[in-house]
Amino acid sequence: ETGVTQSPTHLIKTRGQQVTLRCSSQSGHNTVSWYQQALGQGPQFIFQYYREEENGRGNFPPRFSGLQFPNYSSELNVNALELDDSALYLCASRQGGTDTQYFGPGTRLTVL
Amino acid sequence: GEDVEQSLFLSVREGDSSVINCTYTDSSSTYLYWYKQEPGAGLQLLTYIFSNMDMKQDQRLTVLLNKKDKHLSLRIADTQTGDSAIYFCAENESGYSTLTFGKGTMLLVSP
Repeated sequence: ETGVTQSPTHLIKTRGQQVTLRCSSQSGHNTVSWYQQALGQGPQFIFQYYREEENGRGNFPPRFSGLQFPNYSSELNVNALELDDSALYLCASRQGGTDTQYFGPGTRLTVL
Repeated sequence: GEDVEQSLFLSVREGDSSVINCTYTDSSSTYLYWYKQEPGAGLQLLTYIFSNMDMKQDQRLTVLLNKKDKHLSLRIADTQTGDSAIYFCAENESGYSTLTFGKGTMLLVSP
């Protein structure tokens, strides 16, 4: 167990809808990253938050957005869902100044 | 951009050693990681190696790093059926601490 939790575990949405995924980071970790893992692929970096600010972003469109709260928990929001957004969404936390990231169990999103 | 490549599949018998290989392109990576993913689960950090090291051993796991060839390997000694999973190699982008993953190697351990 890494101490990183995510909710919900599974989610089914339809194309065009919006979704919010949540992550609670490991105690003492102030940096949160989100990754998308499509079936049969490795995780792809979406963005990273540090002290409530986005401070790094991968090759994802603006309809992928996020928030980080004062307690370091985080949300991933996806607007205008597309079929290709179906994936496992992973949250990872780390302590600022260190490199090693610890992952949560993920949220499986299915877009119909 | 960075690219990490792994062989897709490895099959071994219980008790044998497993060797999973990975190549990467970012010569400025600070750390290289091995993560394990069981079906339907998140990523479990197995081990990591700092880029100025050649080898790291942690119980049944041995990581070898050839920085000149940008080649990383993970050896699992006395492989057990519980080791069956997908193994991901990852490098961190220097200065950003974001991870670039390979597509994963599925390890199947038969009794």
